[in-house]
Formats: sequence, C-alpha cells, structure tokens
Amino acid sequence: DARVTQTPRHKVTEMGQEVTMRCQPILGHNTVFWYRQTMMQGLELLAYFRNRAPLDDSGMPKDRFSAEMPDATLATLKIQPSEPRDSAVYFCANSAPYTDTQYFGPGTRLTVL
Amino acid sequence: AQSVAQPEDQVNVAEGNPLTVKCTYSVSGNPYLFWYVQYPNRGLQFLLKYITGDNLVKGSYGFEAEFNKSQTSFHLKKPSALVSDSALYFCAVRDWDRGSTLGRLYFGRGTQLTVWP
Repeated sequence: DARVTQTPRHKVTEMGQEVTMRCQPILGHNTVFWYRQTMMQGLELLAYFRNRAPLDDSGMPKDRFSAEMPDATLATLKIQPSEPRDSAVYFCANSAPYTDTQYFGPGTRLTVL
Repeated sequence: AQSVAQPEDQVNVAEGNPLTVKCTYSVSGNPYLFWYVQYPNRGLQFLLKYITGDNLVKGSYGFEAEFNKSQTSFHLKKPSALVSDSALYFCAVRDWDRGSTLGRLYFGRGTQLTVWP
C-alpha cells in the first residue's frame, strides 16, 4: 500500500531557526503539493510542483519560505528564519499523472516558540 | 475563480441516523467536485469525486454525495451514521491550471462531524 511519507512528524524549534520538512512522494506521482493547516486559516495551499518544476508558489511567503524538488523522490519545504506564526501542521500531497485524486501524507506538526 | 463553501462548521447526529454535510460550489466551467475526510492527527483521505455522469456518487465507508447543478450543491450523505464517522470533512473543487488539464483543488474550511452514541 503506497503512502506519502513526511519527516519529521513533529518539530519544536525556537524563533529564528531554520526548519526543513521533507516529503517522499508515492512512486510515479508527478504532482506534489504543500499545504498548511491552522485552526484560524484552515487548509492553505502553499506551493505545488509538476515533474519537479514549480507551477505555483503564490501562497507561500517568499521572504522566508522556499520549496524545492531536488529529485523525483524528495520534496522539501524550508522556513528560514522561522517565526511563531509559522506554527501549524504542514501536509504534503501527491497525485498521479492524468488523475485528480490527491493523496496526503501524515503531516509535520511544527511549533515555533 | 473556483470556490466551495461549507456553511456548517459543525454537524451533530445520533448514531444510526442519516447524516448530511453540506457543500456549495462556484465555478466558471464544469465542476469537478471532491470530498475528503480527516481523522484526528492524520492527513486528508479521499472519499469520493464527481466528474460527470450520475448525479449520485458512491464512495468509501458507505458515503455518497449528490450533485445538484441547479442548486450548485454537492452534499455528502450517509444513510446510517457510525460513531467512527466522527471526523473533519472537506469539500473541494478542481481548477484548471495553465497549459494542463489537471490542476489544484480549492478546499472548503471543513465541517466537523460528531456522531454520538
């Protein structure tokens, strides 16, 4: 049963520190999405890639956030420097070519003190 | 722009009773609609989708959804609720992105379903 993997599952850090979250997509799933979920804002799309190329990152604060896909098996989301308002659960989701269904990872719960 | 609205933040229903979670949509073209469920401390899971065809779509765990074009609605239903159905439910609509037939999903804010014994 193929699954999306995210690491770490939990991260507690101090304000100003760099945070890197990783996602291993399901093999063959060529579209990768990064979402952020908070009680106040709900589920927000931060960025997404297709075939490793960024398609849209307009939902992401550019001054501190960056998203990359170094290869087809790894997507990363970095925050530098982190701030308390970045505290949220960050989800990676994938979809296969020519399909609509997105498969979500278990999320990374980030707490910035 | 595409959008969905889930008018109820919370729905409470007794076990064994039918449940409905409401969703209305706004699209510029043909609507492609989805329902996802999120259990505590988990990622979202796909339940069902409407692309074309029958207005009644059947999905996982006994859920179904009815597409109503005239009312621009896509309500999620289940004939007999279980306590284990308690979760956060998201409606979503698909958008078309540049140069491709597949795009991002626009999610609603979610509806918390609580089924009490």
